[in-house]
Amino acid sequence: GAVVSQHPSWVICKSGTSVKIECRSLDFQATTMFWYRQFPKQSLMLMATSNEGSKATYEQGVEKDKFLINHASLTLSTLTVTSAHPEDSSFYICSVSLALPETQYFGPGTRLLVL
Amino acid sequence: AQKVTQAQTEISVVEKEDVTLDCVYETRDTTYYLFWYKQPPSGELVFLIRRNSFDEQNEISGRYSWNFQKSTSSFNFTITASQVVDSAVYFCALWTGGGNKLTFGTGTQLKVEL
Repeated sequence: GAVVSQHPSWVICKSGTSVKIECRSLDFQATTMFWYRQFPKQSLMLMATSNEGSKATYEQGVEKDKFLINHASLTLSTLTVTSAHPEDSSFYICSVSLALPETQYFGPGTRLLVL
Repeated sequence: AQKVTQAQTEISVVEKEDVTLDCVYETRDTTYYLFWYKQPPSGELVFLIRRNSFDEQNEISGRYSWNFQKSTSSFNFTITASQVVDSAVYFCALWTGGGNKLTFGTGTQLKVEL
């Protein structure tokens, strides 16, 4: 399967600051990338789907102005949490896929703690 | 709308026991794909299997086996001779053309003890 990295793996920030999380597909060109959020002991919830060179498609209830997604190349997607608040604290996971319904391969996740 | 139900929230077994994780799905689509992922304590989801709706053959991979039954809309996962390293949260997921996204179940926490 694909190898996916995320950076940083951990981030602690103050309320009101912005945080950028990178997702990289290391061994293949990912046409489609996905961003998920997982709260403790809960399932994964899809936040948005991004295709290289296009605007991301956000799931209902996800604020696109708060969670900025950029998929500038076939190997890199970024998620920026703008003006983060404590309720944004969560585990953010990206995944890559050649195209649905192909298998999604997941990154190791980024734990965000907003104080 | 599609839905995945994993009724078992947590299962505890003793090493070497067999354990089956249940997954029941709902969809009106005739074409769909089912997946199982493992999430160890580190957090990274590991892909285990992908199965399309037209292939009801059961599959075995080492100690892992999967039973797909369309008649009961189930895609159960069995671990034979469980090991401590199998301790993780296991997620069943469904993709349908109608939804065009992966829908996850709530996961089953498996604890394998010595």
